[in-house]
Amino acid sequence: KNQVEQSPQSLIILEGKNCTLQCNYTVSPFSNLRWYKQDTGRGPVSLTIMTFSENTKSNGRYTATLDADTKQSSLHITASQLSDSASYICVVSDRGSTLGRLYFGRGTQLTVWP
Amino acid sequence: EADIYQTPRYLVIGTGKKITLECSQTMGHDKMYWYQQDPGMELHLIHYSYGVNSTEKGDLSSESTVSRIRTEHFPLTLESARPSHTSQYLCASTRQGASVEQYFGPGTRLTVT
Repeated sequence: KNQVEQSPQSLIILEGKNCTLQCNYTVSPFSNLRWYKQDTGRGPVSLTIMTFSENTKSNGRYTATLDADTKQSSLHITASQLSDSASYICVVSDRGSTLGRLYFGRGTQLTVWP
Repeated sequence: EADIYQTPRYLVIGTGKKITLECSQTMGHDKMYWYQQDPGMELHLIHYSYGVNSTEKGDLSSESTVSRIRTEHFPLTLESARPSHTSQYLCASTRQGASVEQYFGPGTRLTVT
């Protein structure tokens, strides 16, 4: 069964600190992995998209890693800011259908305290 | 900033009412999607479209229906709303291709009383 599991479910950190969010998946055949940021009451916004051949991709203070062998990904946030408080969603796409199905994790709820 | 819009943003209606959630995008994307999301839960695909006059049901069974008469417009309709339909509905679009970004609208928070 194709699944995406994220950990931790929630995380609280102090402003300025770094943190790392984890994503494990069983989606096969794999096409790409995406990290989204979703503010409360808003739609998700894409942070990174990585294909099989990419193992690191950065977007400002966000750095995503991908290990396609172990089917794991992480999102590292550097020097956190209050505006980083949001849900971070890991999404994996398969290439077994023309739809390019997206499998969504439940997200990690990050809270940054001043 | 994605050019994809949803209206209304919030809607509170009584049971049995017919409602239409609007979604439009100005990016010329062929593919459009509707997702349902409950608090703290993952997004579930309920409808998608590959282009004009193309609509398909997603993974999550839904009593809603959709139409795609114009490329930029993908409305979702509930003929008779029930409290079980209370949820957040997110519209998204993407251009053709495998590893392309999917752009989401701001969502409609629906409450059926």
